[in-house]
Amino acid sequence: NAGVTQTPKFQVLKTGQSMTLQCAQDMNHNSMYWYRQDPGMGLRLIYYSASEGTTDKGEVPNGYNVSRLNKREFSLRLESAAPSQTSVYFCASSDWDREADTQYFGPGTRLTVL
Amino acid sequence: ILNVEQSPQSLHVQEGDSTNFTCSFPSSNFYALHWYRWETAKSPEALFVMTLNGDEKKKGRISATLNTKEGYSYLYIKGSQPEDSATYLCASSGSARQLTFGSGTQLTVLP
Repeated sequence: NAGVTQTPKFQVLKTGQSMTLQCAQDMNHNSMYWYRQDPGMGLRLIYYSASEGTTDKGEVPNGYNVSRLNKREFSLRLESAAPSQTSVYFCASSDWDREADTQYFGPGTRLTVL
Repeated sequence: ILNVEQSPQSLHVQEGDSTNFTCSFPSSNFYALHWYRWETAKSPEALFVMTLNGDEKKKGRISATLNTKEGYSYLYIKGSQPEDSATYLCASSGSARQLTFGSGTQLTVLP
């Protein structure tokens, strides 16, 4: 099992460019999440998908969109990147019915917006 | 307490010392408390999940306790080793399917 995979690992964008971060999990989990991690701020939830076909906003959704493509895949899109979106992005998945929603994290995507 | 708070923010200990950290969380509408270990340049890795008041979990030299009535959890490391150096995150969840993370305690174990 690969667990949670994310692509790309690194990305540099110019202000105004768009991109999509990809996430996939092979643990048959129902729920998937996107977080950003900034120094001194811990992990902040951007969007989550409790189950296939549903998505909801988290703490910091502005400037992002998501798509739950199927049970395995959950993508995060930046339509017009801004320097404030420079961060490390983590995808996670969990199963509410098992392990009290323990989340398993991908390796992260380090994004720099110039 | 509205947010999840962890203390101390950072900690340096000598190899062989025992240490502990605190996590405070909202005690109302509580479902679970999670501890994660996060090494530099890696992703957070689950250590423990606890749901019941008085729960205690142990994995090797690391253990955790939970008090849901007063809204706190302790993480203990006995006989710290340099490989224990990491950021330790706690997160709480309620009826909504979201974890709220604290900002972590950064532990450095000096050889």
